[in-house]
Amino acid sequence: DVKVTQSSRYLVKRTGEKVFLECVQDMDHENMFWYRQDPGLGLRLIYFSYDVKMKEKGDIPEGYSVSREKKERFSLILESASTNQTSMYLCASKPGGFQPQHFGDGTRLSIL
Amino acid sequence: DQQVKQNSPSLSVQEGRISILNCDYTNSMFDYFLWYKKYPAEGPTFLISISSIKDKNEDGRFTVFLNKSAKHLSLHIVPSQPGDSAVYFCAAFLDNQGGKLIFGQGTELSVKP
Repeated sequence: DVKVTQSSRYLVKRTGEKVFLECVQDMDHENMFWYRQDPGLGLRLIYFSYDVKMKEKGDIPEGYSVSREKKERFSLILESASTNQTSMYLCASKPGGFQPQHFGDGTRLSIL
Repeated sequence: DQQVKQNSPSLSVQEGRISILNCDYTNSMFDYFLWYKKYPAEGPTFLISISSIKDKNEDGRFTVFLNKSAKHLSLHIVPSQPGDSAVYFCAAFLDNQGGKLIFGQGTELSVKP
């Protein structure tokens, strides 16, 4: 079974802080993704990566950056957290070709 | 620009009856469509998919229908069970875009005993 692990289930931070969300997958997948889920908006793609050190902007990259130094790990960085970044953050991975994405359990982030 | 839309935020069904969840899309170039199920405090889990060259795919109690001319797909759950109560997301996949998925807004299904 594919295991996608997000480092924190719940996180509370203050506005202006730099926030790191970590995601690790154990299946040697090439592709990794970061989404945020908000009520009524579904899942929106922030960034994705199709290889080590490669990254592509998704639909809502503003205020975020990512890092992929190793194949198994994909980090999402909030450079200066703001209250409108309070959300559920979901990480996913998949192999190449048409295969479903496998998701972690999410990090519920609150910015105060 | 919402390329994948689920227009019903919620659906309530009696146990044993059929649940029908609907999804509309605008881009005729999508290669695959997927349905995910999400319980609170868990990540989405893959349920069933369908290629754009097919019009039906079945897996146990779950069947997905694709109507390309109407740009519409639906997920049928028969018979519905209380454990099916969750949020269901449809998603579309473009093969030439690095495997990214475009999700709908989700429909919350409640199956009453």
